[in-house]
Amino acid sequence: NAGVMQNPRHLVRRRGQEARLRCSPMKGHSHVYWYRQLPEEGLKFMVYLQKENIIDESGMPKERFSAEFPKEGPSILRIQQVVRGDSAAYFCASSPRQAEGYTFGSGTRLTVV
Amino acid sequence: KNEVEQSPQNLTAQEGEFITINCSYSVGISALHWLQQHPGGGIVSLFMLSSGKKKHGRLIATINIQEKHSSLHITASHPRDSAVYICAGGGADGLTFGKGTHLIIQP
Repeated sequence: NAGVMQNPRHLVRRRGQEARLRCSPMKGHSHVYWYRQLPEEGLKFMVYLQKENIIDESGMPKERFSAEFPKEGPSILRIQQVVRGDSAAYFCASSPRQAEGYTFGSGTRLTVV
Repeated sequence: KNEVEQSPQNLTAQEGEFITINCSYSVGISALHWLQQHPGGGIVSLFMLSSGKKKHGRLIATINIQEKHSSLHITASHPRDSAVYICAGGGADGLTFGKGTHLIIQP
């Protein structure tokens, strides 16, 4: 059981480019959560997805950010037209049931230059 | 709105000392999580508590539901315990995180 797999581990993008962050949940987990950790700040909830559905996106910025969790394949967090303020560590977690038994990925560290 | 407060923010101790990190939370939180984050590394889930006490090796987590308070203890601390320890409240909306406690154990 490989756990929650996030890739890439490190991603460098120029301002204005798109960033795509991938998260493959643990086998048997159908609930996926994305969190952002800004430098020197705590983790903040972004979005909660279940297969093919966005359940709660109250923590997502209204513009440029989107997330999906298709029937097949990993969950994707997409950031369009990145800005320097998007530089952060993005963590994904999965669980077998809502709000239970979270397993975290190792995170993707996005740097916008 | 769920809130989670952690203390202390920073803690430096000598190897072998007994460590306590505290966490207070608001209503709406049904389970309390303790997480560990190493520098530059990922996040490991240590405990999930909704009542009582759990122990894993040298780590002990307790929760007092009436007082809405949880503690993480480390016995016989070791330099490899140096990390950020994060308390998170779990509710229907997912996790709400404390700001973390930066723990340094000096040899």
